[in-house]
Amino acid sequence: DAGVTQSPTHLIKTRGQQVTLRCSPKSGHDTVSWYQQALGQGPQFIFQYYEEEERQRGNFPDRFSGHQFPNYSSELNVNALLLGDSALYLCASRTYRGGGTGELFFGEGSRLTVL
Amino acid sequence: QKEVEQDPGPLSVPEGAIVSLNCTYSNSAFQYFMWYRQYSRKGPELLMYTYSSGNKEDGRFTAQVDKSSKYISLFIRDSQPSDSATYLCAMSGAAAGNKLTFGGGTRVLVKP
Repeated sequence: DAGVTQSPTHLIKTRGQQVTLRCSPKSGHDTVSWYQQALGQGPQFIFQYYEEEERQRGNFPDRFSGHQFPNYSSELNVNALLLGDSALYLCASRTYRGGGTGELFFGEGSRLTVL
Repeated sequence: QKEVEQDPGPLSVPEGAIVSLNCTYSNSAFQYFMWYRQYSRKGPELLMYTYSSGNKEDGRFTAQVDKSSKYISLFIRDSQPSDSATYLCAMSGAAAGNKLTFGGGTRVLVKP
């Protein structure tokens, strides 16, 4: 049973560029969330997708956008990259009707470095 | 003030000791409480998931939630060097699908 898979694992960009990160949820899961984890800190919620729509959003600017596809996979896009966007980007999945939060499973993350 | 506070450590213990971790929080709407383990440069791995107040035990791990004090704990018995990692507490509200709010993590080092 494949868990949450993310790509790429590492990437380096320069300020002002745009980046797209990809995520495939755990088998049987239909809801995908994205988190940003700066070095030495806990993950911060970016947004959550269910039925191809953004359902919840954290305190992140509009430069952060996303998409969910009919097969439940998801993309995170960040435009006009800033040095402060350097972080580990984590994708997490669950079933929407799991009750409460349900058990959230994380991928290994995509480590973004902005120079 | 952060919604969830967690001592960053590092917490260093000898092998076989009990590791005691805790978090405090300010949002009384939190109903679901989780502990994740994160190895260096890896994604968080769910260890314990509890609802409301009370205790939950799973093998060497025991999670406690005291909602009246807004305080949660994780105990690791018979600690092993492989338990060396960062431990993150996380919590969320009652509505389905609510976001997780994480603490900053506590780094634990178990010395052989």
